[in-house]
Amino acid sequence: DAGVTQSPTHLIKTRGQQVTLRCSPKSGHDTVSWYQQALGQGPQFIFQYYEEEERQRGNFPDRFSGHQFPNYSSELNVNALLLGDSALYLCASSLDRSTEAFFGQGTRLTVV
Amino acid sequence: AQTVTQSQPEMSVQEAETVTLSCTYDTSESDYYLFWYKQPPSRQMILVIRQEAYKQQNATENRFSVNFQKAAKSFSLKISDSQLGDAAMYFCAYRSPDSTGANSKLTFGKGITLSVRP
Repeated sequence: DAGVTQSPTHLIKTRGQQVTLRCSPKSGHDTVSWYQQALGQGPQFIFQYYEEEERQRGNFPDRFSGHQFPNYSSELNVNALLLGDSALYLCASSLDRSTEAFFGQGTRLTVV
Repeated sequence: AQTVTQSQPEMSVQEAETVTLSCTYDTSESDYYLFWYKQPPSRQMILVIRQEAYKQQNATENRFSVNFQKAAKSFSLKISDSQLGDAAMYFCAYRSPDSTGANSKLTFGKGITLSVRP
């Protein structure tokens, strides 16, 4: 059983560009959450998707947007990249109403 | 808003010894979940142990156990018989229950880097 998979593993972008990160949840999971982890910090919640709708959102600007597809996979889009967007982006999947979230290995985004 | 504080940035333990990692949190809720996650250099967050606030009994998973003090809002992780593979960053996390039963967000502390000396 494949766990949570994220792509790409590493990415380098230039300021002002746009980026799309992808996440495939663990088999059977219907809820996907995205987190941003700056170097040396704990993950910060960006948003959560369930049934193709954004259900919760953290304190992130509108430049951060997402999508969930009918197969439960998800994308995180960031527009107008800033240097401060450089971080590890983690995807976590879970089954609605469960207590445990499973994380992927993350995408390391570097903005230059 | 809930906050999670891990005040020790780094700790070191001798192999086979016991180490305790500290975590405090702040919340006005009476029911919630607490977690310890391990993040090795591979970057993947791995769940170590979880505790439901309504349970008075401290959770235990093999060599890992917690000391949950609800009144003090303290949630420490004890690792017994430390192994070289335990070296990683450890994060304490809080999750509030949702009245609909939905899976709500995790709030993480800043983490602690644990090194294990052979």
